[in-house]
Amino acid sequence: QKEVEQDPGPLSVPEGAIVSLNCTYSNSAFQYFMWYRQYSRKGPELLMYTYSSGNKEDGRFTAQVDKSSKYISLFIRDSQPSDSATYLCAMSKYGNKLVFGAGTILRVKS
Amino acid sequence: GAGVSQTPSNKVTEKGKYVELRCDPISGHTALYWYRQSLGQGPEFLIYFQGTGAADDSGLPNDRFFAVRPEGSVSTLKIQRTERGDSAVYLCASSLSGRGAGTDTQYFGPGTRLTVL
Repeated sequence: QKEVEQDPGPLSVPEGAIVSLNCTYSNSAFQYFMWYRQYSRKGPELLMYTYSSGNKEDGRFTAQVDKSSKYISLFIRDSQPSDSATYLCAMSKYGNKLVFGAGTILRVKS
Repeated sequence: GAGVSQTPSNKVTEKGKYVELRCDPISGHTALYWYRQSLGQGPEFLIYFQGTGAADDSGLPNDRFFAVRPEGSVSTLKIQRTERGDSAVYLCASSLSGRGAGTDTQYFGPGTRLTVL
C-alpha cells in the first residue's frame, strides 16, 4: 500500500462548480502538507502549503488537513477552464523530501 | 528571474547506454532535489543536496543511479546501463535553504523526458 493515496480521476466539472480533491495517507509523522498543480509537460507548481492540522485559504483555493483522520483536501471555488490540470498532493516529515500522491486529473468544461 | 532549467528536454537512448541529465537551479538556492515521475504517477523522490553534499539519497533505486553537485549549483543525474524501466520524466527542484522549514518552497523545472528503447 502506498504512503499517500489519491484518486486519479479524471474529474470533470462544469465551469463555476466547486471542486473537492482529497488524499489519504498512512504515515503519522507527516507534518507538512502541500498541493501542487501540474499542467501537461510542465513541472509541478505549489498552490497551497499547510503545516500540521487546520485550514488555509488563498483566493479561490482552500486547503484542509485533518491529521486525526490522515486526510487532506483541496477545494476550488468558481472553477475555471484554466484550472484544468493534474492536482498533486504532497506531504513531508521535515519539509524537504516530499512524498506525492498519484495526482487527480481535473477537467473544467466551459 | 529565471526558474529551474533542465537539459535536455527529451532524451532517447538505447538499453544499456549511459545518460546524463542536467539541472540548473534558481540562483542562490542551496537545496536541490531530483524526482522521477512515471506516466500516470506522482513524482517519486530520488535524492536531495544541501550545498555540494547529498543530504538524503534514500530514493535512488540502485547503484546504476548517481548524482553530483560539485560546486553547489548545477547538478547532474547519471544513469548507467539504462533499462527500459528507467523511462520516465526526471524532475529537478530547488529551494532556498532545504532546511525543511515548511515554507521552503520547492520550485520545479520542466523535466527531462527519458525514453529507453
